[in-house]
Amino acid sequence: GENVEQHPSTLSVQEGDSAVIKCTYSDSASNYFPWYKQELGKRPQLIIDIRSNVGEKKDQRIAVTLNKTAKHFSLHITETQPEDSAVYFCAASRMGYSTLTFGKGTMLLVSP
Amino acid sequence: EAGVVQSPRYKIIEKKQPVAFWCNPISGHNTLYWYLQNLGQGPELLIRYENEEAVDDSQLPKDRFSAERLKGVDSTLKIQPAELGDSAVYLCASSLTSLAGEETQYFGPGTRLLVL
Repeated sequence: GENVEQHPSTLSVQEGDSAVIKCTYSDSASNYFPWYKQELGKRPQLIIDIRSNVGEKKDQRIAVTLNKTAKHFSLHITETQPEDSAVYFCAASRMGYSTLTFGKGTMLLVSP
Repeated sequence: EAGVVQSPRYKIIEKKQPVAFWCNPISGHNTLYWYLQNLGQGPELLIRYENEEAVDDSQLPKDRFSAERLKGVDSTLKIQPAELGDSAVYLCASSLTSLAGEETQYFGPGTRLLVL
């Protein structure tokens, strides 16, 4: 089955800095890669996703890049704000064949 | 549009007692998931339903866990008897699955279970 590794487990940045979280996956057939943000005590919420037919996707301050050859994908947050502080999870799946396998999460702390 | 609804939000029970969680998915979503989330970990799939059929229950500990989605809408997850190690957050999610595959999964707020 799919295995997703996520790094780092914790990340502390100053407000305004950029943050990068990286994930690797094992199943070369995986073709859908979402990122979820989970604030303390709240539900995971999708913030961005990418499918394997594109290499990069951006949405305002958030971007995701995908390298299918190396089987890794990354989340980039620019101009971080304190409200970006949360746990971020990456996930991977083969759409139509398997459900999501999640990474262990990255706790992002943005200090004012 | 209402999101995924779960109840109760919190549950405290003694070990060996039964417990049940309820989930109502987003209207029109045919796929429903139950996940287990331990502290500091990502969600782990317990069971996935497409309509009323359980299509992936390989990770469900069937000796004590059971689930049902009788009419293909809301779902119940049960643990009997509960063990100390079952303390966790139980998340429900739903999505719309078409011929193109699964669409985005939307999560409920979860039920936080504490077994004493």
